Amino acid sequence: DVLLTQTPPTLSATIGQSVSISCRSSQSLLDGDGDTYLNWFLQRPGQSPQLLIYSVSNLESGVPNRFSGSGSETDFTLKISGVEAEDLGVYYCMQATHAPLTFGSGTKLEIK
Amino acid sequence: QVNLLQSGAALVKPGASVKLSCKASGYTFTDYYIHWVKQSHGKSLEWIGYINPNSDYTNYNEKFKNKATLTVDKSTNTAYMDLSRLTSEDSATYYCSRNYYFDYWGQGVMVTVSS
Repeated sequence: DVLLTQTPPTLSATIGQSVSISCRSSQSLLDGDGDTYLNWFLQRPGQSPQLLIYSVSNLESGVPNRFSGSGSETDFTLKISGVEAEDLGVYYCMQATHAPLTFGSGTKLEIK
Repeated sequence: QVNLLQSGAALVKPGASVKLSCKASGYTFTDYYIHWVKQSHGKSLEWIGYINPNSDYTNYNEKFKNKATLTVDKSTNTAYMDLSRLTSEDSATYYCSRNYYFDYWGQGVMVTVSS
């Protein structure tokens, strides 16, 4: 199975600060069709996960543009440019290039 | 608007089975796969498998092949997941989600396995 390693496991930020979360894959996530199926989710406390970014860098409809994704092959990054209070929760990366689909272990964002 | 409404929490005895439901609305049910995901308390997410409501084709994570069975009822736009021979390891919150990108999620259902 593809292992996704997220760092850091926890992150503490002040409002307005920019932060980045890393997701490293044990295998290249570049699919034979040319797409890279790496998504990012936010799970707020007591809620279901919410899709933020799909295919590395595509912002899901309705998601604020302070969220951005980048990367390729095995190294990916989610950046929040100016953290807001509503951004607290656990962030997960997920790959859908290789079966079985797998998720990272999560990065918990706390607001100082 | 798209909505995935899951059945209520379940308390089941070890060795028993449980059938979870996920009722879709706000879109054409047969146009998108339905995925199921497990989240043990305080832990990360595990993909169980998906079903194509248009063809009934299923694809399972090997880890859950002997545990979960996915079906759909197109007449009611509802997806189901049967979990069999339950143990304490199956106590978790289970989510359904739509599409290859997991763009919409159900609210989750907590399953507790206890005698």
